[in-house]
Amino acid sequence: QSVLTQPPSVSAAPRQRVTISCSGSSSNIGDNAVNWYQQLPGRAPTLLIYYDDLLPSGISDRFSGSKSGTSASLAINGLQSEDEADYYCASWDDRLNGWVFGGGTKLFVL
Amino acid sequence: QLQLQESGPGLVQPSKTLSLICTVSGGSMNMNTDYWVWIRQPPGKGLEWIGSLSYRGSTYYNPSLESRVAISADKPKMQFSLRLNSVTAADTAVYFCARLWYQVPLNWFDPWGQGILVTVSS
Repeated sequence: QSVLTQPPSVSAAPRQRVTISCSGSSSNIGDNAVNWYQQLPGRAPTLLIYYDDLLPSGISDRFSGSKSGTSASLAINGLQSEDEADYYCASWDDRLNGWVFGGGTKLFVL
Repeated sequence: QLQLQESGPGLVQPSKTLSLICTVSGGSMNMNTDYWVWIRQPPGKGLEWIGSLSYRGSTYYNPSLESRVAISADKPKMQFSLRLNSVTAADTAVYFCARLWYQVPLNWFDPWGQGILVTVSS
């Protein structure tokens, strides 16, 4: 059972928009930054969004992040087949005194 | 460009010690913004932070693993290592090393190594 809660899977057609939610608590998302990671099949995760809504250099602006209270969201616009991957949210947890991840969301591009 | 690469045995017997090394290249291990971390992913499951090592040598461990884990560095060799003792089948996972860039309030895990599958089995 992960500390941060994500839906196991989401799906959408190419060129559509999809959002992935990440629910936490006051000890993690509510008080600390949220980062998002993309894990393509068989690969290591890579940084996708940092500090809730900032894009690292080289990341497409089709990706965006947001946070409100103890929940965060990742949105992907203009879905492409290469976006099919697992997505993880992560944050520091003040109560557990460690880094916590969501359980991951598998994105299917129909 | 900073790169990380894991190495070590892919098979460990139950009750033994899992030992992995992460070799860092293309950068320094002495930046005060950098922590060196281990993260694992059981087959078909999500990510779990194992622990972190600061550039000063301070360690921070997942409370669920703290009694069995140790992370250390050999800076002249540009390496840091993971030791996890008394392993069971539940420790079977892909183990990733990564750099945690940390300067309040910003932080992120990047880059990551490619990962190494370690199976615990007799």
